[in-house]
Amino acid sequence: RKEVEQDPGPFNVPEGATVAFNCTYSNSASQSFFWYRQDCRKEPKLLMSVYSSGNEDGRFTAQLNRASQYISLLIRDSKLSDSATYLCVVSPNSGGYQKVTFGTGTKLQVIP
Amino acid sequence: EAQVTQNPRYLITVTGKKLTVTCSQNMNHEYMSWYRQDPGLGLRQIYYSMNVEVTDKGDVPEGYKVSRKEKRNFPLILESPSPNQTSLYFCASRPLAGQETQYFGPGTRLLVL
Repeated sequence: RKEVEQDPGPFNVPEGATVAFNCTYSNSASQSFFWYRQDCRKEPKLLMSVYSSGNEDGRFTAQLNRASQYISLLIRDSKLSDSATYLCVVSPNSGGYQKVTFGTGTKLQVIP
Repeated sequence: EAQVTQNPRYLITVTGKKLTVTCSQNMNHEYMSWYRQDPGLGLRQIYYSMNVEVTDKGDVPEGYKVSRKEKRNFPLILESPSPNQTSLYFCASRPLAGQETQYFGPGTRLLVL
């Protein structure tokens, strides 16, 4: 089983739709979780950290389910500019040496 | 402007010809890392460094070398490149303390013929 698994997509959704991605992780000791966004041929950039209580940033909501070992990203009112690949990132520790494991990404295409 | 820079951005080379990809950050970060990204495999860590003169292997270190003589620079060296090292390479840095995000360089596309 992969350490971090994501559905590669692509998810093709119309503008204004709500879309959700899940990411499962195998290491139950994981402590730090992130969602990164990567545009085609560009570097990954942090979208948001994922906290135990869940967190929201505008149209984006991230959730953590430790019992089932997955994190989720919800995007409301999708914009064309949301088209990108979304990478799930998991780390077994916080601070210090942080070995992060990246998922292979979920591709989102928002259609006019 | 806080940033991570990589050079070159694009490189075509031939098997066996030694090359170096430079990485530099201006944020005084202790931690630096190299990744390669391949279709279907995601980002995989090659080497990382927790500070000057402190480096260690990541998940896919074979065929690569690194050095950390200065805090700001972390070059990636391919002593004898092979076609299976054709990939997109990213350098990243972050402070050692806390959970701060990693800052990535713009990437280097390498083609080994």
